[in-house]
Amino acid sequence: AQKITQTQPGMFVQEKEAVTLDCTYDTSDPSYGLFWYKQPSSGEMIFLIYQGSYDQQNATEGRYSLNFQKARKSANLVISASQLGDSAMYFCAMREPSGGYQKVTFGTGTKLQVIP
Amino acid sequence: SAVISQKPSRDICQRGTSLTIQCQVDSQVTMMFWYRQQPGQSLTLIATANQGSEATYESGFVIDKFPISRPNLTFSTLTVSNMSPEDSSIYLCSVRTGGATQPQHFGDGTRLSIL
Repeated sequence: AQKITQTQPGMFVQEKEAVTLDCTYDTSDPSYGLFWYKQPSSGEMIFLIYQGSYDQQNATEGRYSLNFQKARKSANLVISASQLGDSAMYFCAMREPSGGYQKVTFGTGTKLQVIP
Repeated sequence: SAVISQKPSRDICQRGTSLTIQCQVDSQVTMMFWYRQQPGQSLTLIATANQGSEATYESGFVIDKFPISRPNLTFSTLTVSNMSPEDSSIYLCSVRTGGATQPQHFGDGTRLSIL
């Protein structure tokens, strides 16, 4: 079974609009962390936001917020006021204990294109 | 966060040859990770490298094909051995500085093409 599922291969959003990128996860461990990364066409992985499994409030970082619904095992990324520079691949990732290590698993990604 | 430098940034290699990718971090880190990103795909963990011990490889990856060295707390190398076109990928070094709530940081990657 997939640990991290991103069901949207591609998304379009109008500049200045908000967009939600979906992510669901699967784990039986009570202690885990969820991350979102941005990968522009240049290839580098840019960390955006983190949500811990025990965090009571949804994480926010500037224009990024994470809609964490623990019971539904979803961790959607919300980008407000989209900018042209937001066009990139976005990966959801989960860290969980695995054989003594904290292993991070990535989803398949969503390609976001911001339209002027 | 850590500054991670990877070398080379890209290379084109002949099949059957080997290439060693270097990863240098500007601070001491306990765990370093090597990922592979095949064209249009997500990131897949190859192995976890701890200083002073053998690397731990994920299912589908073996030491003979991807030998890893970790001589100190700031440096690691990944060798891609006996390369074939299927090894054409981006290889990324990653570290985590701090506790479990801290993100992993990535180098800019090595874009490898095999002819």
